Amino acid sequence: EGHLVESGGDLVQVGGSLRLSCAASGINFSGFWMSWFRQASGKGPEWVAQIKSDGSEKYYSDSVRGRFTISRDNAKNSMYLQMTSLRAEDTAVYYCARDVNYLQSDYWGQGTLVTVSS
Amino acid sequence: IVLTQSPATLSLSPGERATLSCSASQSVTNYLAWYQQKPGQAPRLLIYDMSKRATGIPTRFSGSGSGTDFTLTISSLEPEDFGIYYCQQRVSFGQGTRLEIK
Repeated sequence: EGHLVESGGDLVQVGGSLRLSCAASGINFSGFWMSWFRQASGKGPEWVAQIKSDGSEKYYSDSVRGRFTISRDNAKNSMYLQMTSLRAEDTAVYYCARDVNYLQSDYWGQGTLVTVSS
Repeated sequence: IVLTQSPATLSLSPGERATLSCSASQSVTNYLAWYQQKPGQAPRLLIYDMSKRATGIPTRFSGSGSGTDFTLTISSLEPEDFGIYYCQQRVSFGQGTRLEIK
């Protein structure tokens, strides 16, 4: 059975940086668009960023554009989210997910917690 | 696009039929998904493209609708169907419907 596993979440101060990783196993990773979502405590999911299967196209939500960078390494079946200039409102569980189409996502990781403290 | 789900909470008994609604602020394509989420877990894809069941999803789950109004139906509730259900259209998610099993 396929799995996505996120890592890299941590407690960081406002203005700090963090790099999240997502490792895929048992699924077709390189052939699919991938996304990062996040979910603040008690809230619904929020789309953060998306990357095309070959990495040639990247899209971001307005709330993170210019601060976050999505990337992937298909040779390592891995995806990344570099987060800079972190704000308190970035505090959330971050999930990586495989895109079936138009952000509808069939595989999700277990999530990694990012806490931004002032 | 704003997605509004109703009701906010639904409390039903096993064996009953559940009908969850998702209304869009403007007409959307049929790229509409439904997810189930349980505490401490990631969302689980149930339905995509409005009516296609994801791999491994029981046939009691079905999706329908068009334009601005979409419905997730659970034909006969099982105890494990509790959780929060979200609809999604591209970057937008609804606020969720909490399904409680009596």
